[in-house]
Amino acid sequence: ETGVTQSPTHLIKTRGQQVTLRCSSQSGHNTVSWYQQALGQGPQFIFQYYREEENGRGNFPPRFSGLQFPNYSSELNVNALELDDSALYLCASRAGTQNTEAFFGQGTRLTVV
Amino acid sequence: AQSVTQLGSHVSVSEGALVLLRCNYSSSVPPYLFWYVQYPNQGLQLLLKYTSAATLVKGINGFEAEFKKSETSFHLTKPSAHMSDAAEYFCAVTTNNAGNMLTFGGGTRLMVKP
Repeated sequence: ETGVTQSPTHLIKTRGQQVTLRCSSQSGHNTVSWYQQALGQGPQFIFQYYREEENGRGNFPPRFSGLQFPNYSSELNVNALELDDSALYLCASRAGTQNTEAFFGQGTRLTVV
Repeated sequence: AQSVTQLGSHVSVSEGALVLLRCNYSSSVPPYLFWYVQYPNQGLQLLLKYTSAATLVKGINGFEAEFKKSETSFHLTKPSAHMSDAAEYFCAVTTNNAGNMLTFGGGTRLMVKP
């Protein structure tokens, strides 16, 4: 059984650019959530996908968008990058929406310059 | 709405001493509570969880936490700290009403002195 994997592990982007982060969920998990963790802070919920539909969103602007694919892997897209978007982006997967236990990937460290 | 407050952004203990990391939550419905650990440049690893069964929850690496509804607390303890326990610890809350989306506290950095 493979765990949650994220790619890339690190990347650097310029302000105004667009970025796509990827997440492969754990085997058997059909719910994927994305979190943003700024330096020195706790993770903040961005949004959640269940069976390819967004079913929850945190307080993030529309330039943060996502997708979930039929194999339950997921993408996080951020347009018009700002310096404050620099953070560790964490993906978590669960089996269903009622299962409380989420398993996290190692994260993608995004630096916007 | 739900929220978590972790008292003390930094806690320092000596190796072998008691570890106590504090977490208070706010929730209008019965909560599910979690403690996660994060080592440098890594993701989050689940230490333990409370999901309305036993109020004293035992987790991995010798950690445990007690759910106290009257105090709205879920403090994390370990009888004897090891150097390998040095990390960032996050308390999180969720509810069925929230679709089990996690709300995290700001984290507590645990330092263990030899």
